[in-house]
Amino acid sequence: GIQVEQSPPDLILQEGANSTLRCNFSDSVNNLQWFHQNPWGQLINLFYIPSGTKQNGRLSATTVATERYSLLYISSSQTTDSGVYFCAVPAYSGAGSYQLTFGKGTKLSVIP
Amino acid sequence: DTGVSQNPRHKITKRGQNVTFRCDPISEHNRLYWYRQTLGQGPEFLTYFQNEAQLEKSRLLSDRFSAERPKGSFSTLEIQRTEQGDSAMYLCASSLRPTGGFSGANVLTFGAGSRLTVL
Repeated sequence: GIQVEQSPPDLILQEGANSTLRCNFSDSVNNLQWFHQNPWGQLINLFYIPSGTKQNGRLSATTVATERYSLLYISSSQTTDSGVYFCAVPAYSGAGSYQLTFGKGTKLSVIP
Repeated sequence: DTGVSQNPRHKITKRGQNVTFRCDPISEHNRLYWYRQTLGQGPEFLTYFQNEAQLEKSRLLSDRFSAERPKGSFSTLEIQRTEQGDSAMYLCASSLRPTGGFSGANVLTFGAGSRLTVL
């Protein structure tokens, strides 16, 4: 199956700082999603971004499918950005499976 | 649209007991998924339904686990003869089959999860 690696595993930021989270994957994908899991465990879908760039407020994401990586940018971080950020891709290349494989996540702590 | 609802939110049980979790997906979503998440890990896929048909099951899913979606609406996940290794957060997600032949778009909306503790 497709492997997913996220970096860094942990990140501590001062409020107001910017950060970049990375997701590498081992095969071509037609589906890549970024999720934020808040400290209460709720997973929120941030982006569906198999290729290209999208922006949503202070967050943006870029996927370079040919080089098999995706980046999540957080600008002007706030304490509410704290939590774990996961990247997820299909478990297998090709059609027929709807399993997503998640990376181990980047744990972000934003301190005031 | 009230989102994906899961019940109970927390369950503590003794080893060997059976437990059942319920998931109510977003009403117009025809796809439903169960994932399991242990501490410090990302969610792991368990099973997937399209309407009432269970189309995929993880090889990780032992025969003590069974899931149903009887009328293509809510789903239940039952764990029989629970073991301490079953302690985890059980997450349900739903999605809408995309139109226009775009097979890649499968955006998941997750519920808040059901946390199981097996003593």
